[in-house]
Amino acid sequence: QVQLQQWGAGLLKPSETLSLTCAVYGGSFSDYYWSWIRQPPGKGLEWIGEINHTGGTNYNPSLKSRVIISLDTSKNQFSLKLSSVTAADTAVYYCARVEVVTAIDYWGQGTLVTVSS
Amino acid sequence: SYELTQPPSVSVSPGQTASITCSGDKLEDQYACWYQQKPGQSPVLVIYQDSKRPSGIPERFSGSNSGNTATLTISGTQAMDEADYYCQAWDSSSVVFGGGTKLTVL
Repeated sequence: QVQLQQWGAGLLKPSETLSLTCAVYGGSFSDYYWSWIRQPPGKGLEWIGEINHTGGTNYNPSLKSRVIISLDTSKNQFSLKLSSVTAADTAVYYCARVEVVTAIDYWGQGTLVTVSS
Repeated sequence: SYELTQPPSVSVSPGQTASITCSGDKLEDQYACWYQQKPGQSPVLVIYQDSKRPSGIPERFSGSNSGNTATLTISGTQAMDEADYYCQAWDSSSVVFGGGTKLTVL
């Protein structure tokens, strides 16, 4: 059974850098893309970006200048860094497994990140 | 950028059929997925590759994709199906979500 467990700071000040990590338990790490998705309170889902096991990345063009997704294959973990956060970045952030052109089939539990001065 | 459009809300009576649409330019040329999200929970995949159901998803959930519109159909809708539903597709290397539809069972 595949499980994604995520963690990171939940309260940030404007201009700080958001940092989250997701650990993958079960299944193959190399056969999928690993993605970050966010959901502002009361709003819909927004794809942030993804990474594959070789470190290849794809990012949402609207966030690309502020996002870095990286991975640690030795630990089956991948991470998100979002720089220069503002209140507009307040959201629940999810890590997820992507089978390309098929589905996002496993999701983490979500982490609420609040940006407030 | 590619956009997927869903109705904000759909209402259905228990036992009846609910249909939720997702519109995008030439959507039939790619695969569509659907996710169910209940309050306070992570999304759950209910349909992938237009019409396939993952293991554990009830048979009352079905999907189709033709022309510019993908459709999620829930037959014999139950109270437990009340949730937000999101369609999703790929645009080049990017994941795109629809805005979501709140399904009310009343």
